[in-house]
Amino acid sequence: GQNIDQPTEMTATEGAIVQINCTYQTSGFNGLFWYQQHAGEAPTFLSYNVLDGLEEKGRFSSFLSRSKGYSYLLLKELQMKDSASYLCAVEDSNYQLIWGAGTKLIIKP
Amino acid sequence: IAGITQAPTSQILAAGRRMTLRCTQDMRHNAMYWYRQDLGLGLRLIHYSNTAGTTGKGEVPDGYSVSRANTDDVPLTLASAVPSQTSVYFCASSAGATDTQYFGPGTRLTVL
Repeated sequence: GQNIDQPTEMTATEGAIVQINCTYQTSGFNGLFWYQQHAGEAPTFLSYNVLDGLEEKGRFSSFLSRSKGYSYLLLKELQMKDSASYLCAVEDSNYQLIWGAGTKLIIKP
Repeated sequence: IAGITQAPTSQILAAGRRMTLRCTQDMRHNAMYWYRQDLGLGLRLIHYSNTAGTTGKGEVPDGYSVSRANTDDVPLTLASAVPSQTSVYFCASSAGATDTQYFGPGTRLTVL
């Protein structure tokens, strides 16, 4: 079967760095997405990785290792507004997105 | 209109009733999707449409139907609602079937 695993919840301190991991087992791989979802709102696109390595975009970076079926989202200089759920999704061989359940990130002052 | 809109924002429905959730996008995207999101589970694809006039089944299609008469709209219909269809429903669109998906604000549906 297809499976995306992420931690359910993480807590971090304002100004710090946090890494959210995602491991996957899917039928094929055509890319990996990270989305941010604030409570009661729609998911919004953060990043896309299709090749191994690190993609940096401001305070957010995303890493992919296809051989290990592993990705992480790195958030630097955390702000209170970063409190949200972070969703990992893999595009499978049919180009459909398989979604993890999301990681709820709590930022404390 | 800018982006994707969904209607209604929320709805309480009696079991057995028919309900249509509406979704409209103004980005001229070819592909559109319907997902449901339940606590503790990832988004699950209900139906999708890669282009106007075509639709396909996702992971959890039973009890739902979609149509795609034009590029902008993809209504989702529950023919006879059941309590297990209580969920938050998100519509999304992408330029093409392999492109980044952008989401509407969602519809919170409660079936009693």
